[in-house]
This record gives sequence, structure tokens and C-alpha cells, in this order.
Amino acid sequence: GAGVSQSPRYKVAKRGQDVALRCDPISGHVSLFWYQQALGQGPEFLTYFQNEAQLDKSGLPSDRFFAERPEGSVSTLKIQRTQQEDSAVYLCASSFRAGQETQYFGPGTRLLVL
Amino acid sequence: SQQGEEDPQALSIQEGENATMNCSYKTSINNLQWYRQNSGRGLVHLILIRSNEREKHSGRLRVTLDTSKKSSSLLITASRAADTASYFCATALANAGGTSYGKLTFGQGTILTVHP
Repeated sequence: GAGVSQSPRYKVAKRGQDVALRCDPISGHVSLFWYQQALGQGPEFLTYFQNEAQLDKSGLPSDRFFAERPEGSVSTLKIQRTQQEDSAVYLCASSFRAGQETQYFGPGTRLLVL
Repeated sequence: SQQGEEDPQALSIQEGENATMNCSYKTSINNLQWYRQNSGRGLVHLILIRSNEREKHSGRLRVTLDTSKKSSSLLITASRAADTASYFCATALANAGGTSYGKLTFGQGTILTVHP
């Protein structure tokens, strides 16, 4: 795979359910970002990994959101006890190095919480 | 919170015309990037311009950056119906003496419609 992939592409969850969203970055990319995009808005930063280290989680909206990247490649964003306001597109992006680089985005996971 | 503001919010033009979108931001940046997003899809990187650059070209795209006014513009020349999409500017903040890993702050986007 040449690009960033995300799964599932669509997820419908009942309020209170836990969900897990997966991101496969471009092979060899050091940096991995998660963003949340509400309908009609630009993406907003959630969290950042440099290899396996989570260096910034300042954008996570609550302690119900948790992200990991245990081996420095695949990352999972987990949302516990989903709420309706969690409905959004969750975008993953990776870049080759740490620092000021072009970010390559995946197609996103569209989450709808009913 | 969104750092950038984009103008206009929506733009409708005919094929062959030029499209200009503007972006303003508030704090010092290392670089500014423009992305395109087709409906229901991910973001596609268009161009990156660094704070020490004033203008960059890529195919039919021309980006300018004015750091004194904290603004940027994206010009698409000879537009095509396939250019119909949302366009976002995103800024990566300047280092504050430490390592800056390039977290992006996006504007709200400009919706461009190009009519055949």
C-alpha cells in the first residue's frame, strides 16, 4: 500500500458503545497524527506520535479518548462510552520525519453515534 | 480551535476561469500548507510554503505567503470541473526554542464549485 489506510471506513455505534479506529501509516513514516473533522469544519488536532511515543495528546477532548501506537507503525484510536457529539470523521496522517513536513492523510473513518 | 480563517467560504466559477482563495492566521508559523478534500474523502496535499518563501508554483497552482500580514492565497488557473472540492489552509507553528513536530492547525475551508 502506497498511502495511509484507515479502517473501518464507516462505523455506526450506539451511544455508550466503545469503538476502535485503526490507522496504517505509510511504511517508514516516523510521525503519526490523528485529527477530528466535524461536518462542515476543518480538521482539528487530537494527538501525535513519534514512533511509539505519544508526544502530544493535548487535543483529545476527554479521557474517553485513548490512542496508542505500540510498535511505532499501526495506531489505534479508541473512544469509550461514545456520545453523540463524538460523531465526526477521524483522520489519520503520517509524515516521513519528525518536524515540519508534509503530512499524508488517510481516507478517514466516518463515525456516527446514535 | 481553528487558527486560520479562509475567505471566501464558498466560490462558484465557470470552467476556464481562475479561482483565488485566501487564508489568514494569527501566530508565527514555520510553514503553511494547502489541502484539497473531495466530498466524503480524505485530504490531498497540494503545496507547502515555508515562512521564508514568498511564492511557490505547482502546475496550475500558485501560492503566495505574506508573513507580515499573516496571510496566504491559493490561485488555481484555468479551472476545471474536477477542481470542485473544499480547499483548506493549514499552518505549522514556528519553533519556540524547542522541537516542533509539525502539528497542523486548519482553517474552515473554502468550498469551490467549478461549473462545466
